[in-house]
Amino acid sequence: EIVLTQSPATLSLSPGERATLSCRASQSISSLLAWYQQKPGQAPRLLIYDASNRATGIPARFSGSGSGTDFTLTVSSLEPEDFAVYYCQQRSNWPRTFGQGTKVEIK
Amino acid sequence: EVQLLESGGGLVQPGGSLRLSCAASGFTFSGYSMNWVRQAPGKGLEWVSTISAGGGYTYYVDSVKGRFTISRDNSNNTLYVQMDSLRAEDTAVYYCAKGISGTTGSFMDVWGQGTTVTVSS
Repeated sequence: EIVLTQSPATLSLSPGERATLSCRASQSISSLLAWYQQKPGQAPRLLIYDASNRATGIPARFSGSGSGTDFTLTVSSLEPEDFAVYYCQQRSNWPRTFGQGTKVEIK
Repeated sequence: EVQLLESGGGLVQPGGSLRLSCAASGFTFSGYSMNWVRQAPGKGLEWVSTISAGGGYTYYVDSVKGRFTISRDNSNNTLYVQMDSLRAEDTAVYYCAKGISGTTGSFMDVWGQGTTVTVSS
């Protein structure tokens, strides 16, 4: 099973600041990684797929990078609605696995 | 509008069974793989199962193999999961999610609102 480790667990930032979230895979997964955003009481929303492709309707302030084992989600300038939990997920191997999540909270 | 609507959750005793349904609309259901993902209270996301677009291929997380069965009815645009021998650790919100493409196990671009399963005596 591929283990995805996200860091940090919590990121405390102010609106307008840049957020950088990390996801590390236990083995190479090429570019087969996605990022999801989840707000309390809501279903997850796909942000980024195949490491760097924005999903439909996702603002340009969200960007993804990386390949192999190290991946990054960047939010260039945090909007109030961006404070949420973010998960990475791989589709390189079965079982599909998620990281444990990074909470982006208001400082 | 693309929509997924889960139903069938509830309270069940350990060892019991439950069948969840997910009604799909707004897209060609038979053209996409479908998934179940769950989230235990206060915890992260856990992939549970995937079924290919035609229904011929299924995949499960180890913890539910032999107890859960995913299926689909492409004529009625509905996804199912039959959950047997339920355990306390199966307590979670269960989401159905659509694959972003026809490739089995592709990332999930549309999610339902979730249905809650509670396993308790």
